[in-house]
Amino acid sequence: GQQLNQSPQSMFIQEGEDVSMNCTSSSIFNTWLWYKQEPGEGPVLLIALYKAGELTSNGRLTAQFGITRKDSFLNISASIPSDVGIYFCAGSGPIQGAQKLVFGQGTRLTINP
Amino acid sequence: NAGVMQNPRHLVRRRGQEARLRCSPMKGHSHVYWYRQLPEEGLKFMVYLQKENIIDESGMPKERFSAEFPKEGPSILRIQQVVRGDSAAYFCASSGQPYEQYFGPGTRLTVT
Repeated sequence: GQQLNQSPQSMFIQEGEDVSMNCTSSSIFNTWLWYKQEPGEGPVLLIALYKAGELTSNGRLTAQFGITRKDSFLNISASIPSDVGIYFCAGSGPIQGAQKLVFGQGTRLTINP
Repeated sequence: NAGVMQNPRHLVRRRGQEARLRCSPMKGHSHVYWYRQLPEEGLKFMVYLQKENIIDESGMPKERFSAEFPKEGPSILRIQQVVRGDSAAYFCASSGQPYEQYFGPGTRLTVT
């Protein structure tokens, strides 16, 4: 089935540093979503992107929908301890169907205080 | 403003038993989705339902798994004759607007 390649798989950073992660696909997507998951919990929606080239912010988080519709990135500025968790990209598009989300493998973020 | 509710949060079943997982969508949401997550992996789509209708079940195993979303009450994911490979976290999501899916806390199924 269709897959998203998410990188990096894990990140170890110092508190206060900026973070960048991205997702790529071999086929186009119409929607990109970014989620954060903490241990024992469900994914929490952070940002939703609907148009190629769209740049959207949510506090210290910024995400972009790639112009080719095959990629997206998420940036976190000035990281704090509560940013720790696993970040997933997810997309939906014309191949898999509008309502079916395909997820990346996740980026595990660890922050040293 | 309650979010997506799932119960139970943890479920232990012996091989061959049945597992029933329940999901109540967010208020006002009429679209329900079920996903499965194995350890250290992303979520995998299973099924998409609206009230009394299965819209897309392309991710559901052909045998032993079924889902429903009745006119009244929660959506149910049912796994008959569970096997060890069914052990996973099962997440329900709901949406009102297209595409923005909000997830519940999940049910962690352990098959012994």
